[in-house]
Amino acid sequence: SYELTQPPSVSVSPGQTARITCSGDALSKQYAYWYQQKPGQAPVLVIYKDSERPSGIPERFSGSSSGTAVTLTISGVQAEDEADYYCQSADRIGAYRYVVFGGGTKLTVL
Amino acid sequence: QVQLVQSGAEVKKPGASVKVSCKASGYTFTAYYMHWVRQAPGQGLEWMGWINPNTGVTNFAQKFQGRVTMTRDTSISTAYMELSRLRYDDTAVYYCAKDGAVVLLLSFDMWGQGTMVTVSS
Repeated sequence: SYELTQPPSVSVSPGQTARITCSGDALSKQYAYWYQQKPGQAPVLVIYKDSERPSGIPERFSGSSSGTAVTLTISGVQAEDEADYYCQSADRIGAYRYVVFGGGTKLTVL
Repeated sequence: QVQLVQSGAEVKKPGASVKVSCKASGYTFTAYYMHWVRQAPGQGLEWMGWINPNTGVTNFAQKFQGRVTMTRDTSISTAYMELSRLRYDDTAVYYCAKDGAVVLLLSFDMWGQGTMVTVSS
């Protein structure tokens, strides 16, 4: 099981807005990160520290945070955005810090 | 540009060990923690632990403690992950991933291409 909860799938038509949510207690204390993974490829960071976008990532990708949930928003979805998306954060037990992932969301562009 | 290049696919028998390498280039290898993450076929991502390439200090996910070793060779900017006592459910793609900041951020801004490890008798 995963410490962060994501919907297994989201479907949108090209040009529409896709929103992928991720929830978990760790998110109220730590930043969230989002990764895009296309079939047969390594993950790519698309959002860091809840809402920052790495260089080279299109502006249509954005992130937001509220309490114990975060959202990845893809505005004007394109066919090339079809992929699995994973949220990630960190948690701790005392001084021991560890990484937590969501189970992933498959984005289908209809 | 920053690049992580991993060693090739491996097939191992149950009970054996596997050692995967990850050669870094395009940045100061000793300045950023290196993580290992695995992904079983059709499944999600699972964090295994990190190594501080500067000091050699490691920290592992509790699930892997006692079975995983992470080392590095700073002379060739390469990190290694060795998993012992392999089981069938260790079959997965293993990724190295560079931490996102010089102060441990526990996030990954660059990933290797992945190494497929198959455990089969």
